[in-house]
Amino acid sequence: DAKTTQPPSMDCAEGRAANLPCNHSTISGNEYVYWYRQIHSQGPQYIIHGLKNNETNEMASLIITEDRKSSTLILPHATLRDTAVYYCIVRVAETSYDKVIFGPGTSLSVIP
Amino acid sequence: GAVVSQHPSWVICKSGTSVKIECRSLDFQATTMFWYRQFPKQSLMLMATSNEGSKATYEQGVEKDKFLINHASLTLSTLTVTSAHPEDSSFYICSARHFGQGNSPLHFGNGTRLTVT
Repeated sequence: DAKTTQPPSMDCAEGRAANLPCNHSTISGNEYVYWYRQIHSQGPQYIIHGLKNNETNEMASLIITEDRKSSTLILPHATLRDTAVYYCIVRVAETSYDKVIFGPGTSLSVIP
Repeated sequence: GAVVSQHPSWVICKSGTSVKIECRSLDFQATTMFWYRQFPKQSLMLMATSNEGSKATYEQGVEKDKFLINHASLTLSTLTVTSAHPEDSSFYICSARHFGQGNSPLHFGNGTRLTVT
C-alpha cells in the first residue's frame, strides 16, 4: 500500500472548518483513500473514503486532487468532540482481507 | 451501521496468567478480523490478521505462541495473551470488515486496556 504523509498536529477554532491534509504521492490507480479518527482511549472510527471523486457524508467531506497525489479531509464546523487523531490511509480495495497499516496521523485539537 | 463489540473493555491480571479478549461483529459477517496493539502516544500497530477457519497471519516480530488467535466463526475472533508480563500491558483493538466487500471500511471495537501487574 502507498505511504501517506500527514502533519503531526493541527489546531482549529471551534465552529470553524478543519482542513486536514494528506499527501499520498505514490498512490496507485486502484488505491482508495480512507480516513479514520481515534478519540482518546477509544477504537478508531471510520469517517469517509473515496477513489477519485470528492465525497461527502454526514461527518465530513473528502477532497481528492485531480492527480490523486493528495487529499484533504474537511470537518465543516469543528466541535470540541472532534478533537482526535486523524489517520489517512490508502489501500487497494479488492479483497476483504488485505490489511490496514496506520501511520502516526494528525492530532487535531479543537480550541474553544 | 456496522458494529464491532470487544470484551472486556479493561482487564488487570497478574504476571504469568493468560487473558482472553473477544471481538464480535454484531450485525455483519467477517471472514477476516485484524488485531492491533497501541502503546501510549503511539499509533496502532498491526499484530495479526485473523482468518475464519484457518490459521492467523502474524506480523513480523509478533510471537504467535504468545498471542493466540482463534477465529471460530464468521462473527467471533479471540486473542489470548498467554503468560502475560508487564511489558504486554497495552491497548488492544480489533477490527473487522464486511465479508466480500473489498472496499468497505474497517470497523473497530472500542479496545481492551490490559494491565499486567
